[in-house]
Amino acid sequence: DAGVTQSPTHLIKTRGQQVTLRCSPISGHKSVSWYQQVLGQGPQFIFQYYEKEERGRGNFPDRFSARQFPNYSSELNVNALLLGDSALYLCASSLEDYQPQHFGDGTRLSIL
Amino acid sequence: DQQVKQNSPSLSVQEGRISILNCDYTNSMFDYFLWYKKYPAEGPTFLISISSIKDKNEDGRFTVFLNKSAKHLSLHIVPSQPGDSAVYFCAAYYSGNTGKLIFGQGTTLQVKP
Repeated sequence: DAGVTQSPTHLIKTRGQQVTLRCSPISGHKSVSWYQQVLGQGPQFIFQYYEKEERGRGNFPDRFSARQFPNYSSELNVNALLLGDSALYLCASSLEDYQPQHFGDGTRLSIL
Repeated sequence: DQQVKQNSPSLSVQEGRISILNCDYTNSMFDYFLWYKKYPAEGPTFLISISSIKDKNEDGRFTVFLNKSAKHLSLHIVPSQPGDSAVYFCAAYYSGNTGKLIFGQGTTLQVKP
């Protein structure tokens, strides 16, 4: 079975631009969460979606938004990119809300 | 406010010996804890978890211990193998917020042949 897949794997943007990151969860998984990981730190929670509804939001500005589609795939959008948005963005899915999350390999976003 | 802390940035052990990775937490509402392993250029891989109603959980070479009174958990790897060399993250969540994992900073484990 395919794991969590994320696209693209790498992305280079300039300040002020907008970016969309995509995630396909493991088949049948209804919960998708997004995390940001900067170098030397653990992942930080951005959003969780369950059954297409937002279940939680971390301490990130409104420039960050997300959505989940009927097939449970998800997109993370970031507007007005700042240098500090450079990070690894991870998507994780779980079968149900209370089960361990399984991560994709992430999208490496670099802001110039 | 760092609710989950891994105070040792790195650990080096000899192949065949025990590796012990430690994690402390401050939020007493956490009731589920997980360990993830991460290789470079890959996402974190789930290893083992423990509920707050237990004090130990085993899965093969991996054992997690939870001491609720001390708000401390540890991951034991016995015997350690060179392929275990990776960054290990401790994570936690509490009921009602199960989609939000709170991660520690990670500990880099090196297992020497």
